[in-house]
Amino acid sequence: AQSVTQLGSHVSVSEGALVLLRCNYSSSVPPYLFWYVQYPNQGLQLLLKYTTGATLVKGINGFEAEFKKSETSFHLTKPSAHMSDAAEYFCAVSDSRGNDYKLSFGAGTTVTVRA
Amino acid sequence: SAVISQKPSRDICQRGTSLTIQCQVDSQVTMMFWYRQQPGQSLTLIATANQGSEATYESGFVIDKFPISRPNLTFSTLTVSNMSPEDSSIYLCSVGLLRGETQYFGPGTRLLVL
Repeated sequence: AQSVTQLGSHVSVSEGALVLLRCNYSSSVPPYLFWYVQYPNQGLQLLLKYTTGATLVKGINGFEAEFKKSETSFHLTKPSAHMSDAAEYFCAVSDSRGNDYKLSFGAGTTVTVRA
Repeated sequence: SAVISQKPSRDICQRGTSLTIQCQVDSQVTMMFWYRQQPGQSLTLIATANQGSEATYESGFVIDKFPISRPNLTFSTLTVSNMSPEDSSIYLCSVGLLRGETQYFGPGTRLLVL
């Protein structure tokens, strides 16, 4: 079974500052890892994903994440925060060896951006 | 990706009634999923709805409460039956694309039960 822990339920950053959202996973098999963003009153939008290959993955809106197997982490970063980055961010994991691809989500991190 | 729509986008219902939520995709997909997001919380998988088979429910969710239909590869419905205020949530459908491992989500249905 897989599980996800997101450290910090709320993160506040200044506009232009680094955004760092932490995600650690637990999985007995190689995982597939995902970051989703949810803007107010909207569904989830895929930011980026890691399945195989390069461990540093780039996504939309300037976000990137690095899969570190030794640390069981998949932290999300953006060098310079923009006001439009204010949203809820979810890390998710699924089992790469199964064929049902069920996602387990973290509790989410709410990002606020200060002007 | 895919274009996924849900109807209704939001509703206010009385306790004891039922609501059917529709999920429509603009392409044929094998794997569809239904999630619940309770207020201020993360997403919990209700069931997997693959075309050609019965829906598979997660622990804590039963067919009598959340019946699901999957009549074809582009459409699914989730019914929330005999609703109570505790059913007030956002209900989201998603589809598995590429090899199925990447899920894309609909906009959600915001349900308030009084």
